[in-house]
Amino acid sequence: GESVGLHLPTLSVQEGDNSIINCAYSNSASDYFIWYKQESGKGPQFIIDIRSNMDKRQGQRVTVLLNKTVKHLSLQIAATQPGDSAVYFCAERKGGNKLTFGTGTQLKVEL
Amino acid sequence: GAGVSQSPRYKVAKRGQDVALRCDPISGHVSLFWYQQALGQGPEFLTYFQNEAQLDKSGLPSDRFFAERPEGSVSTLKIQRTQQEDSAVYLCASSPRDRDEQYFGPGTRLTVT
Repeated sequence: GESVGLHLPTLSVQEGDNSIINCAYSNSASDYFIWYKQESGKGPQFIIDIRSNMDKRQGQRVTVLLNKTVKHLSLQIAATQPGDSAVYFCAERKGGNKLTFGTGTQLKVEL
Repeated sequence: GAGVSQSPRYKVAKRGQDVALRCDPISGHVSLFWYQQALGQGPEFLTYFQNEAQLDKSGLPSDRFFAERPEGSVSTLKIQRTQQEDSAVYLCASSPRDRDEQYFGPGTRLTVT
């Protein structure tokens, strides 16, 4: 399944499928990007980050892709599991220290 | 090791009351951040400390909001004369050094009635 930007707040996928969550960021001067997972009643949990001098970074079952030309960031989750159900936020940092978050995408994994 | 902890986890205040929210960062972390998260939204930056110095408070919505970190570890976010629009989850995050990854606490859910 795939979402476009953050205008579609909910993404539903079947267990075992790959998920793609997209994010359009706002500032071409941003030098650092990060994806967080937030489960209900909990704080955001770090998933993966990428600096602006890279275009791809892989973690365990997750990959982040950065396209600076169109200011687009995506999170790919391989073999999505029920435990992946959460709200996913992208965030950018524009040279300082504070993070600017998007509005989030709700990922629902169907059995 | 222990993560970022926040207390209380839930706070109900009557409009006009003052509240104080506490954050215990990960031991040794230099940087500390406060964010406000409205229902269904992403966190929004409030303020940032490096050790005891408050280096950025550009996100504090009004002069009713005040944060401190007097000894460079525990931080308190104080909201005076609470208003209904202050209802939100207040998140604290810390990082080992400037510009490192931020680790978040569970948040304090504030409800102003």
